[in-house]
Amino acid sequence: KAGVTQTPRYLIKTRGQQVTLSCSPISGHRSVSWYQQTPGQGLQFLFEYFSETQRNKGNFPGRFSGRQFSNSRSEMNVSTLELGDSALYLCASSLNQNTEAFFGQGTRLTVV
Amino acid sequence: EDQVTQSPEALRLQEGESSSLNCSYTVSGLRGLFWYRQDPGKGPEFLFTLYSAGEEKEKERLKATLTKKESFLHITAPKPEDSATYLCAVQDWDSNYQLIWGAGTKLIIKP
Repeated sequence: KAGVTQTPRYLIKTRGQQVTLSCSPISGHRSVSWYQQTPGQGLQFLFEYFSETQRNKGNFPGRFSGRQFSNSRSEMNVSTLELGDSALYLCASSLNQNTEAFFGQGTRLTVV
Repeated sequence: EDQVTQSPEALRLQEGESSSLNCSYTVSGLRGLFWYRQDPGKGPEFLFTLYSAGEEKEKERLKATLTKKESFLHITAPKPEDSATYLCAVQDWDSNYQLIWGAGTKLIIKP
């Protein structure tokens, strides 16, 4: 059974640009969550989607957005990139909202 | 406010030296507590879910236990490959399924 797949694995962008990250959940999983992880802040929750609806949102500015498609695949977008957006972005999927989440390998975003 | 605190922040052990990691939590009603292991540059790997006080789960050298206010991850006779950051997260009945994460314990096992 394939795990959670995130693409791309690595990305370098310039300040002011925008970026789109992709996440393919485990087959059959309907919940997808996104996290930002930096050395100083640990895992910070961005948002969670369940059956194409955003159910939870963390305390991030509106530059961070996401969506989920009918096949449960999800994308997150960051517009007007800032240096502080450099981080490991992790996607996790779960069968339902109250079951354990399985993480992808992450996308390492570097903003220069 | 819901809170999850992990201790210690870092732990260095000799190979074979058993110890425990702590995850204490403050929530209005615990729906579930989750343990993960994370290697550098990789996504967290799911280890255990605990739902009620008194529950225990084991996997190889790891054993997780749960009380009403905290969880322990016991590691018995660890090996260097057990070196990783161990993360704890809780789900509150009132949090709309959102996970609240601890900062993690970095475990280093020396050969």
